[in-house]
Amino acid sequence: AQTVTQSQPEMSVQEAETVTLSCTYDTSESDYYLFWYKQPPSRQMILVIRQEAYKQQNATENRFSVNFQKAAKSFSLKISDSQLGDAARYFCAYKNAGNQFYFGTGTSLTVIP
Amino acid sequence: NAGVTQTPKFRILKIGQSMTLQCTQDMNHNYMYWYRQDPGMGLKLIYYSVGAGITDKGEVPNGYNVSRSTTEDFPLRLELAAPSQTSVYFCASSDTNTAYSNQPQHFGDGTRLSIL
Repeated sequence: AQTVTQSQPEMSVQEAETVTLSCTYDTSESDYYLFWYKQPPSRQMILVIRQEAYKQQNATENRFSVNFQKAAKSFSLKISDSQLGDAARYFCAYKNAGNQFYFGTGTSLTVIP
Repeated sequence: NAGVTQTPKFRILKIGQSMTLQCTQDMNHNYMYWYRQDPGMGLKLIYYSVGAGITDKGEVPNGYNVSRSTTEDFPLRLELAAPSQTSVYFCASSDTNTAYSNQPQHFGDGTRLSIL
């Protein structure tokens, strides 16, 4: 089975600064997809960004971008110009060709005003 | 669209009681999933279904049962509630019937369940 590792249980960032959350995964597959989800205190799971493994170009969504290193099996999330509303728990997720999802244990992000 | 709807949002059970967590989606997704999230932890897959009439065990299926009689509904049943099942339960769905299989999972808002 695939495993997803988020080695930073907690992170903090000053408002308007940039923060990077790390994620690594283990797989022998070549075709897969990667996601970052955000879980605010409301407990909802909100999709932040997605990346296809076959694409070399890193995905971006407004202030959110990823650094996808396929050979290193690394998928980090960069949040630029951090806002108070970015405070949440962030989960990295891996999806295989069989449509099964694997989640990391999450990184709790605190945004300091 | 309502997306994925879970009921109830909160529930307290006594040890040994049984209950069913309801999940329904209106997006015609073929895949549906049940996860549990313990405090400070990530999501663990309990059961999933690839379509009506088909269910499979996930990582932590013991103590739970599911059924998938329709595309829309995927209820999760706890037969003999135990304190170890105190958790937040999430239902999710995803679609593979499109040309783009980068489709994410769509989550319900969760059910907070306490077993006392």
